[in-house]
Amino acid sequence: DGGITQSPKYLFRKEGQNVTLSCEQNLNHDAMYWYRQDPGQGLRLIYYSQIVNDFQKGDIAEGYSVSREKKESFPLTVTSAQKNPTAFYLCASSGTGLSGANVLTFGAGSRLTVL
Amino acid sequence: GQNIDQPTEMTATEGAIVQINCTYQTSGFNGLFWYQQHAGEAPTFLSYNVLDGLEEKGRFSSFLSRSKGYSYLLLKELQMKDSASYLCAGMDSNYQLIWGAGTKLIIKP
Repeated sequence: DGGITQSPKYLFRKEGQNVTLSCEQNLNHDAMYWYRQDPGQGLRLIYYSQIVNDFQKGDIAEGYSVSREKKESFPLTVTSAQKNPTAFYLCASSGTGLSGANVLTFGAGSRLTVL
Repeated sequence: GQNIDQPTEMTATEGAIVQINCTYQTSGFNGLFWYQQHAGEAPTFLSYNVLDGLEEKGRFSSFLSRSKGYSYLLLKELQMKDSASYLCAGMDSNYQLIWGAGTKLIIKP
């Protein structure tokens, strides 16, 4: 079955450490996204990529980095520069047609806790 | 600025009907989405409206009024498994999604 796989599901990090969250999709989607979800707030876009080897900053990119070396993969690194990294991170993918057909398919999420 | 407003929490009874409202302000408009998210899980797509009117999909329906910047999600014959958060998202002129904070729906027996 096609879908998006995020790992790990739970991750604990000490302050000052970088961590990388994995996101892999087998939907043959061109576009991939990383969102952050905090209680009481809407999803906030961190980074997105519409094509291999290209990505753009979202609304809250500071303290995060990404790469898109393969169509299927879009890992997110949470760096020590991110001041408040404890959150639920969601990866998503979609087609890139300029229409509402851009329905997002989400992974199951990764919950990062900074100790 | 761009903004999506929806109630924080609603409670309804099993078997009943509930309407979750969403108002939006976006720079341009390319449609309104509803997603369902169970606690700790991925959001899943429910509906997309770009023209005024009601779209029905089984027990779920979604309505859009572009002139009023308003949408609602109607859930009929509520089941306990419908307990979840419902996320409203508007798509702006750049095809970017603006998300509401979600409405937590609690279903009581």
